[in-house]
Amino acid sequence: QQQVKQSPQSLIVQKGGISIINCAYENTAFDYFPWYQQFPGKGPALLIAIRPDVSEKKEGRFTISFNKSAKQFSLHIMDSQPGDSATYFCAASGAGNTPLVFGKGTRLSVIA
Amino acid sequence: DGGITQSPKYLFRKEGQNVTLSCEQNLNHDAMYWYRQDPGQGLRLIYYSQIVNDFQKGDIAEGYSVSREKKESFPLTVTSAQKNPTAFYLCASSHIPGEKLFFGSGTQLSVL
Repeated sequence: QQQVKQSPQSLIVQKGGISIINCAYENTAFDYFPWYQQFPGKGPALLIAIRPDVSEKKEGRFTISFNKSAKQFSLHIMDSQPGDSATYFCAASGAGNTPLVFGKGTRLSVIA
Repeated sequence: DGGITQSPKYLFRKEGQNVTLSCEQNLNHDAMYWYRQDPGQGLRLIYYSQIVNDFQKGDIAEGYSVSREKKESFPLTVTSAQKNPTAFYLCASSHIPGEKLFFGSGTQLSVL
């Protein structure tokens, strides 16, 4: 049973374009939704996170959009750059200090 | 520098052999985690610990064992019972369980 479903598996975007990655969840007890960025051979690093009390959070070129009723959240990367080429993971955790559960990841390639 | 150190970076296991992956953190975090990463599978939780001398099984604990004798250390043993151990293993820690995980650089385990 996959608790967090992520799409697409891979994404190719032109330099300067917008990259959009989507995630859906089932467990309504989840209350923390982060996105992680991973470069080859490295561990993931926290990019941005959101809680259900807001519908959007922006940090620089990265924005999380959150739809509580649809149980979906997405990552938008504005003005995508070749240096953004990496694998992105969405995740979720809930009340009771439960560990993060991760989506399967999206490999993003930004081409010039 | 504060952070998480995983060693070794590469590890080879012979059939029937137990191997231990090291994870040390100097972030003074209470919670520590082990995740396994396979291509296209995301990060799957093996074990986690929220306090010294206590740990819980994750989704794929079979064939693995851990200990948490010190706050700073959370070693993972891959036993001979784990029949498919080839993967990238990631250790993480957090101040608040389930939130803002900091990851190490990972250990790539392969079978000879």
